[in-house]
Amino acid sequence: ELKVEQNPLFLSMQEGKNYTIYCNYSTTSDRLYWYRQDPGKSLESLFVLLSNGAVKQEGRLMASLDTKARLSTLHITAAVHDLSATYFCAVYSGAGSYQLTFGKGTKLSVIP
Amino acid sequence: DGGITQSPKYLFRKEGQNVTLSCEQNLNHDAMYWYRQDPGQGLRLIYYSQIVNDFQKGDIAEGYSVSREKKESFPLTVTSAQKNPTAFYLCASSRTSGTPYNEQFFGPGTRLTVL
Repeated sequence: ELKVEQNPLFLSMQEGKNYTIYCNYSTTSDRLYWYRQDPGKSLESLFVLLSNGAVKQEGRLMASLDTKARLSTLHITAAVHDLSATYFCAVYSGAGSYQLTFGKGTKLSVIP
Repeated sequence: DGGITQSPKYLFRKEGQNVTLSCEQNLNHDAMYWYRQDPGQGLRLIYYSQIVNDFQKGDIAEGYSVSREKKESFPLTVTSAQKNPTAFYLCASSRTSGTPYNEQFFGPGTRLTVL
C-alpha cells in the first residue's frame, strides 16, 4: 500500500525567510504532484514532476523530485503572506495507475 | 471557459436520507474522480471512472454510489449507509493520454453536513 508522508504538518514562518517542505512516499511512482489549498477552497495545481531530477519553479516556490530516494521537496524562498495556505503532495501508485494518494498536507502560515 | 462545476456548494442531510452531489466538466476529460476531505486531513478517493459506463471503487467507497452515463457528468450519491458523511467533497477530472496525463483538476467542492 502506498503511503505518502509530508513534514512538517504545520509551519509558521516569518516573511522573508526560506523553508522546505518534504514529501516522502513508500513505493515506486512515476508522477508526483503538488497542490495548494486555501481555507474553504478547492485544490489548485502547482507542479507536476514526472522524472528523476525534475525541478520546477514558479515565483517563490520551487519543487524537485528524487525518485531514487522517493522524496520530493517544495522550497519556499523569501516567504510572503500570500503564500499562507495548505500544501499537498500526491503520488500515483505506479505506471498506469489512476489512484492518486495524498499526503496529509502542510499548513503554512507566513507572519509579518 | 473550461472547467469543473459542482453543485450544490452547501448541502444538509437528515439522518437516513440519500443525497446526490453533482459534478460536471467541459474539459473533454475521460477520467473523473470523487474525493472526500475531512478537517485537517488529506484527500481520500471514493470512486473513479476512466470511461463512460465504467467506474471503480477507491479506498472508501462504502456508503457511496456513482454513475457515469455521460462523459461530462459523474454524480455521487451519499446513501444512508454512510455513517459519517459530514465532509468536504471534491470532484476532479483528468486526461488519460498525452503528457502530463492524469494531472487532476479539481472542482470547487460541496460541503455536506448531516443534521
